[in-house]
Amino acid sequence: LAKTTQPVSMDSYEGQEVNITCSHNNIATNDYITWYQQFPSQGPRFIIQGYKTKVTNEVASLFIPADRKSSTLSLPRVSLSDTAVYYCLVGSRMDSNYQLIWGAGTKLIIKP
Amino acid sequence: GAVVSQHPSRVICKSGTSVKIECRSLDFQATTMFWYRQFPKQSLMLMATSNEGSKATYEQGVEKDKFLINHASLTLSTLTVTSAHPEDSSFYICSAIGLAGGVSTDTQYFGPGTRLTVL
Repeated sequence: LAKTTQPVSMDSYEGQEVNITCSHNNIATNDYITWYQQFPSQGPRFIIQGYKTKVTNEVASLFIPADRKSSTLSLPRVSLSDTAVYYCLVGSRMDSNYQLIWGAGTKLIIKP
Repeated sequence: GAVVSQHPSRVICKSGTSVKIECRSLDFQATTMFWYRQFPKQSLMLMATSNEGSKATYEQGVEKDKFLINHASLTLSTLTVTSAHPEDSSFYICSAIGLAGGVSTDTQYFGPGTRLTVL
């Protein structure tokens, strides 16, 4: 099973680009990578999901190198409201059975 | 789209009572729902996976007789904490995976969570 490792915390400033990397050395062929944002006392919010190369949506980009042993969530031009915990999830599905490996979360603090 | 609700958002109960938490997918059919618990400053801990119409699959160490899960329809799953004790106090969160255009997206959408406090 893939184990996911991400930094415990990160600081940045408003307007900067923030990159959070998750390591998953034992990722399997069928595993996909998902990132979530969580504010205190709320459920996680889906940010982005990918399998390989690069995925971009209106809020973030996800970079996955060819060996897929890591992934990087990129948040462009962060604001104070991006202060939250960000989780990396490596998951797979076979029929209706899921294998889900959550990272411990990265607490991102954005300063003015 | 992909909205999941939970009810109640907060519950306080006495030790020994049972508490039921509902999880609903509001605008999609959920083939699979997950139940998590989360302690302060910790990651999500998967408790169980439920597929509509079948028994839930519990993670190792989770007592199935204590945490009863029912997924009776494609839009509703319930978690009942039976004979709750103070150590069951936690933040319980459900998520749902549904069908988009007839193909499973494999993306979990989460409810807002339920704060359970057992006195």
